[in-house]
Amino acid sequence: DAKTTQPTSMDCAEGRAANLPCNHSTISGNEYVYWYRQIHSQGPQYIIHGLKNNETNEMASLIITEDRKSSTLILPHATLRDTAVYYCIVRASGADGLTFGKGTHLIIQP
Amino acid sequence: DTAVSQTPKYLVTQMGNDKSFKCEQNLGHDTMYWYKQDSKKFLKIMFSYNNKELIINETVPNRFSPKSPDKAHLNLHINSLELGDSAVYFCASSQAPTRGRSSQPQHFGDGTRLSIL
Repeated sequence: DAKTTQPTSMDCAEGRAANLPCNHSTISGNEYVYWYRQIHSQGPQYIIHGLKNNETNEMASLIITEDRKSSTLILPHATLRDTAVYYCIVRASGADGLTFGKGTHLIIQP
Repeated sequence: DTAVSQTPKYLVTQMGNDKSFKCEQNLGHDTMYWYKQDSKKFLKIMFSYNNKELIINETVPNRFSPKSPDKAHLNLHINSLELGDSAVYFCASSQAPTRGRSSQPQHFGDGTRLSIL
């Protein structure tokens, strides 16, 4: 799996949009970009994934650059419950496990 | 209606003991996984398993063995527990990729917290 680079931590004010960047400059053509988060004492939670096109679901939006070397996860209206470690992972389809990095610790400030 | 459930949630035991963790998923998935999260919070894949194939992370000691009585369960058995086995163990499941649905997210349980005395 390609490596990803994320900031160690970020702050965001409650009610504002949280934009979490991820660099994956060595991504291969068949690799997807996945985002998971882990809230303290819980298991990782799937958020969203994409290949080339931007994606949106009820939790977040994923913006992937045209060259696919970076992406941004957007939480449109952050709440205190969004405080968590957010992991950006790139992998090809398959039944192999995920390779988690250190992630970004997002802290939502009241 | 928990999707991926793990038992026990906490386990405190002594070095040298043998223990098993249970994992059950009610999502109808055909692939299951075990991950280990150590004290530094790094999450690492240990095993991935479906009814056809077991993929083992080569760094996992052979004291660890997954056991699957059926498609909805993947238990983890550990022999001769060591201090370094203290960690949180997460189970996950996903649907195997198929043509037209080539990328499937994994759904995680809330973990078994193992402490070795």
